[in-house]
Amino acid sequence: QSVLTQPPSVSGAPGQRVTISCTGSSSNIGAGYDVHWYQQLPGTAPKLLIYGNTNRPSGVPDRFSGSKSGTSASLAISGLQAEDEADYYCQSYDSSLSAYFVFGTGTKVTVL
Amino acid sequence: QVQLQESGPGLVKPSETLSLTCTVSGYSISSGFYWGWIRQPPGKGLEWIGSIYHSGSTYYNPSLKSRVTISVDTSQNQFSLKLSSVTAADTAVYYCARVSVTATNFDYWGQGSLVTVSS
Repeated sequence: QSVLTQPPSVSGAPGQRVTISCTGSSSNIGAGYDVHWYQQLPGTAPKLLIYGNTNRPSGVPDRFSGSKSGTSASLAISGLQAEDEADYYCQSYDSSLSAYFVFGTGTKVTVL
Repeated sequence: QVQLQESGPGLVKPSETLSLTCTVSGYSISSGFYWGWIRQPPGKGLEWIGSIYHSGSTYYNPSLKSRVTISVDTSQNQFSLKLSSVTAADTAVYYCARVSVTATNFDYWGQGSLVTVSS
């Protein structure tokens, strides 16, 4: 069972803005550890989408943005496109588990 | 461009040891960075298994530590995973990945290798 909780699914029409939350605790996000986000298209490996809470790797469209506050983080997708339909995972570090990499439960984004 | 490719048996019997190798191209493991293994049971989320440095220094997920061994072969530019005493719960797609320069996330991933545990 993951220590980072995400909504199982979110959906939106093309062009809309959707947000995905990642809720942690004082031993991970709340302790100041960075949050990263991955996009997993159907049948493929995860791809780093956001690192260090707010940064996009080269090649990631600026429609994707990340934020962090308190014990939670969020990923926003603006101008939703059909190609954004995928699973999204947050990831951080948890000091109570001594686990260097903990992943969120994952969120399926559906483009209506 | 850094590329990673997993290889190994797709079927392992219960109680036996799962073995996978990750071959890295486009970057020399000896040059640095940590390298890791992550798994994903069918239809479920991601779980970090463990990571290794080119020197051989390792760190593992505490929940799997008693059964996991990760090793590196810099001459072959490969690193490997062994998971002992497997059960059906270990059935998953196993990914190898590079840990980023900040050592906090994974920036390059292999395509994944499905391993099924069944008699």
